[in-house]
Amino acid sequence: QSALTQPPSASGSLGQSVTLSCTGTSSDVGGYNYVYWYQQHPGKAPRVIIYDVTKRPSGVPDRFSGSKSGNTASLTVSGLQAEDEADYYCSSYAGGNEVFGGGTKLTVL
Amino acid sequence: EGQLVESGGGLVQPGGSLRLSCAASGFTLSSHWMHWVRQVPGKGLVWVSRVNNDGSSTVYADSVKGRFTISRDNAKNTVYLQMNSLRAEDTAVYYCAGGGTWGQGTLVTVSS
Repeated sequence: QSALTQPPSASGSLGQSVTLSCTGTSSDVGGYNYVYWYQQHPGKAPRVIIYDVTKRPSGVPDRFSGSKSGNTASLTVSGLQAEDEADYYCSSYAGGNEVFGGGTKLTVL
Repeated sequence: EGQLVESGGGLVQPGGSLRLSCAASGFTLSSHWMHWVRQVPGKGLVWVSRVNNDGSSTVYADSVKGRFTISRDNAKNTVYLQMNSLRAEDTAVYYCAGGGTWGQGTLVTVSS
């Protein structure tokens, strides 16, 4: 039950794009199309922004997009806005259990 | 829009027990696998356990296996987490989640 690997921090300027990575193994990210991305602001509960690798729940701006290549999933945030500054976590189904990444703190410059 | 509300958290001594509840409103619990996820304040999310739609299949993280039990009552639209033999390292905010919806969390503090 090893955690997925996410860079601890990332940054981008207002209006620019940033891509966050989430690396697992063939037993989790690479083996299933069940990768989720969550956004969490300080003191708040996580919010699902991407599910099943690429799908966006209703209400999530299309500035957020997900993809996967091999054992690595990615979240791209385009047209960065101030409110995008938050912690971002990925998770994946792992054949019974679920596994989370350690999270990436996104700073909007 | 659906909502999940956790309750049952609080302060408990090491070795003690607590039962967390997660009540759904505007959300049909029986349609979804449900999970418990915990987060030490200031730290990352950690998956704890999940139960399938009808409660017949449960899975646990190694760190809680044998001590925690997840269950659900679809008639009451509620999911539970029975936590026994609690340790200091179980201190965290516990969230229930499923079908893309998360609750607001309930704080469990294990301390003497």
